[in-house]
Amino acid sequence: KNQVEQSPQSLIILEGKNCTLQCNYTVSPFSNLRWYKQDTGRGPVSLTIMTFSENTKSNGRYTATLDADTKQSSLHITASQLSDSASYICVVERYGGSQGNLIFGKGTKLSVKP
Amino acid sequence: DAGVIQSPRHEVTEMGQEVTLRCKPISGHDYLFWYRQTMMRGLELLIYFNNNVPIDDSGMPEDRFSAKMPNASFSTLKIQPSEPRDSAVYFCASSLRGGAYEQYFGPGTRLTVT
Repeated sequence: KNQVEQSPQSLIILEGKNCTLQCNYTVSPFSNLRWYKQDTGRGPVSLTIMTFSENTKSNGRYTATLDADTKQSSLHITASQLSDSASYICVVERYGGSQGNLIFGKGTKLSVKP
Repeated sequence: DAGVIQSPRHEVTEMGQEVTLRCKPISGHDYLFWYRQTMMRGLELLIYFNNNVPIDDSGMPEDRFSAKMPNASFSTLKIQPSEPRDSAVYFCASSLRGGAYEQYFGPGTRLTVT
């Protein structure tokens, strides 16, 4: 069954600290993996999109990694800021299917405290 | 560009009433997506269009849901009749192309059916 599992469900960290969010998937065949940030009351915003051949991709203080062999991805946030408080959603797209073959994780809710 | 525009931002209606949600994608984008988000199920793709043509509507929950895209700058999602379990946030998103292209989400419409 095609699934995307994210952990932890929620996380509280202090401002300035680093953190890592996990995404494991069983989606096959694989096309790409996306990380989105969703602030409360707003639509998701794309952070990174990685295809099969990409292992690491950065967007400012956000760095995503992908291990296609173990079907795992992580999102690392460096020197967290209060504005990083949001839900982070991992999405995997199946290869060869229609655009609609997007499998969504339930998200990790991150709270950054001062 | 103003980004993806959705209206209304909030909708409260009684069970059995017809609800119409509206979306204006980013100009020049070939793909338009409708999503639903709930606490229980997370983000779900309902339907997507390519060049105004519906490509995959397998995510549409029932015949009570319908979507149209009469032109490149406008789409509607209609629920008739609405039910309390339809209460959710509905997002519209657009992307320049298919595949690993970034999707830009609108602010969403929060629908409450009483």
